[in-house]
Amino acid sequence: DTEVTQTPKHLVMGMTNKKSLKCEQHMGHRAMYWYKQKAKKPPELMFVYSYEKLSINESVPSRFSPECPNSSLLNLHLHALQPEDSALYLCASRPLFLTGGRTNEKLFFGSGTQLSVL
Amino acid sequence: GNSVTQMEGPVTLSEEAFLTINCTYTATGYPSLFWYVQYPGEGLQLLLKATKADDKGSNKGFEATYRKETTSFHLEKGSVQVSDSAVYFCALSGGYQKVTFGIGTKLQVIP
Repeated sequence: DTEVTQTPKHLVMGMTNKKSLKCEQHMGHRAMYWYKQKAKKPPELMFVYSYEKLSINESVPSRFSPECPNSSLLNLHLHALQPEDSALYLCASRPLFLTGGRTNEKLFFGSGTQLSVL
Repeated sequence: GNSVTQMEGPVTLSEEAFLTINCTYTATGYPSLFWYVQYPGEGLQLLLKATKADDKGSNKGFEATYRKETTSFHLEKGSVQVSDSAVYFCALSGGYQKVTFGIGTKLQVIP
């Protein structure tokens, strides 16, 4: 299994709603990522989890709350979002090596969740 | 910090034309370099990579050579097909866990 599965594929939510995005991989990758991609822009890093611990938070607003309950799952909890948060949210994973964080291994991306905030 | 500069598109080519998409980078140390491709409505897929100077990455007829002296990693293909139409992202990985992407270049191949 070489896939990263994201659900749902599409999500429409109001500014007062609470919703969650889910990401799952069974490749044994111990680094998992959340990226945000606006139309015609490159992916922007939001969070990185290494060995199920948050290792990078790119100053993301607290209305986005990541969670990594185990080595295969990554969630992104959404609350009180703004219309400008509408974007494609991409999950990715990659292997980690015991010798440290630097790796030349590729990122495996999911197909993303297209989020619209009304 | 690390950065990737990539030519803006869109690039429009006729089928069987030669493709070059320029990419230059700024990084400390010795980054790994990647080209990712994104088809409409999908996530990014790795197209090719190179991990050290003078390495050539290749896949599906696409090639890119890691040029440390010019800090470049230009993507080339000798004969493009309509199915190559997509957005292409140059990226580097040099620091702890971070991957830096260029702005992306949209390629349109017309029959």
